[in-house]
Amino acid sequence: GAVVSQHPSWVICKSGTSVKIECRSLDFQATTMFWYRQFPKQSLMLMATSNEGSKATYEQGVEKDKFLINHASLTLSTLTVTSAHPEDSSFYICSARPIQRYEQYFGPGTRLTVT
Amino acid sequence: SQKIEQNSEALNIQEGKTATLTCNYTNYSPAYLQWYRQDPGRGPVFLLLIRENEKGKRKERLKVTFDTTLKQSLFHITASQPADSATYLCALGDDKIIFGKGTRLHILP
Repeated sequence: GAVVSQHPSWVICKSGTSVKIECRSLDFQATTMFWYRQFPKQSLMLMATSNEGSKATYEQGVEKDKFLINHASLTLSTLTVTSAHPEDSSFYICSARPIQRYEQYFGPGTRLTVT
Repeated sequence: SQKIEQNSEALNIQEGKTATLTCNYTNYSPAYLQWYRQDPGRGPVFLLLIRENEKGKRKERLKVTFDTTLKQSLFHITASQPADSATYLCALGDDKIIFGKGTRLHILP
């Protein structure tokens, strides 16, 4: 149980284009999902907290107009990287927290490369 | 500001021995502490959650302690196996959790 899928697992895009990443909790409902990015040999950096039916809460320094988050249902959150640039290249990971629980279940991650 | 330190960047342990990983934190009084495992190129996997009023918790070969006075958690893997080799992350908080940088554990056959 507690499986989270993330799609795509990797994507290469050209500078200036937008990329959408989907995060789904497959066998549980999650009112809260989280989006992280991780650089090589670095810790997970929380980008934003996504609550179903409301606006996402972004961490300091994360541009909300660049990283658009939508949490349309209890099992789906999306992250859209708009007007991507090479510095946006990173490993993006989502997680979902089951209702009334505190642990998080992570997706397998999406490797984004912007050329 | 809140700070989490995991004792070492890398740890080598002989197969069959107990691996002990340390997580220290400052400027924080978390109600929950969690441990995750992360393999290269993959998302973290939840292992254990311990509450501030619990001294210890076990799950199969895993054992975790949480000392709120010392502001420290110890994570033990008994009878370690090469398949236990991974990066282990300590995480603090409840609504929003903060991750440590992790300790890369190598179990040597």
